[in-house]
Amino acid sequence: GAGVSQSPRYKVAKRGQDVALRCDPISGHVSLFWYQQALGQGPEFLTYFQNEAQLDKSGLPSDRFFAERPEGSVSTLKIQRTQQEDSAVYLCASSFTTSGAGELFFGEGSRLTVL
Amino acid sequence: GNSVTQMEGPVTLSEEAFLTINCTYTATGYPSLFWYVQYPGEGLQLLLKATKADDKGSNKGFEATYRKETTSFHLEKGSVQVSDSAVYFCALYSSASKIIFGSGTRLSIRP
Repeated sequence: GAGVSQSPRYKVAKRGQDVALRCDPISGHVSLFWYQQALGQGPEFLTYFQNEAQLDKSGLPSDRFFAERPEGSVSTLKIQRTQQEDSAVYLCASSFTTSGAGELFFGEGSRLTVL
Repeated sequence: GNSVTQMEGPVTLSEEAFLTINCTYTATGYPSLFWYVQYPGEGLQLLLKATKADDKGSNKGFEATYRKETTSFHLEKGSVQVSDSAVYFCALYSSASKIIFGSGTRLSIRP
């Protein structure tokens, strides 16, 4: 497709379950970002990849959060032992530049609800 | 640390009214500044940007001027339309890897 694709769009998990969220960036985009957006808030940075290298994971809130981009294209954000505070929309964005100064192209997000 | 503060919403205006959404920032060095917009049911998309002091970004009738002396990047439009109803995010880039977003301002335009 032409844009950033995220799946699933909606995920309901019971507390303690593991979840995996997928991001398909725009083809050829070098940079990939994950953001977390709580209701009524702006996106909060989680992690950044340049190709397959995870260059910044300073925003991951705990060691239950893990992200990978093994072949430099598709990325997966995994959350282990989900907690209610993990409920949020998880946004993926990609960019053709190698820095954060370029335009970010966002997917529509994956809405996670933890019961 | 770096941060962005924007006016809280929601903002409700009548069609053809003048719009200002305030945004101020705190950053070291010389950040690039952005406005992103999220229309209902869509992902965030870049509306405009400015990369240095006194630059003016513009798009779709919206404008914002990078004011270093007041650390501001206010969004303006002279005559809003119903189709401008959306959530607007001010953002800055000032380090190697991430863009920092404000909390967003919801704008509703009445016909």
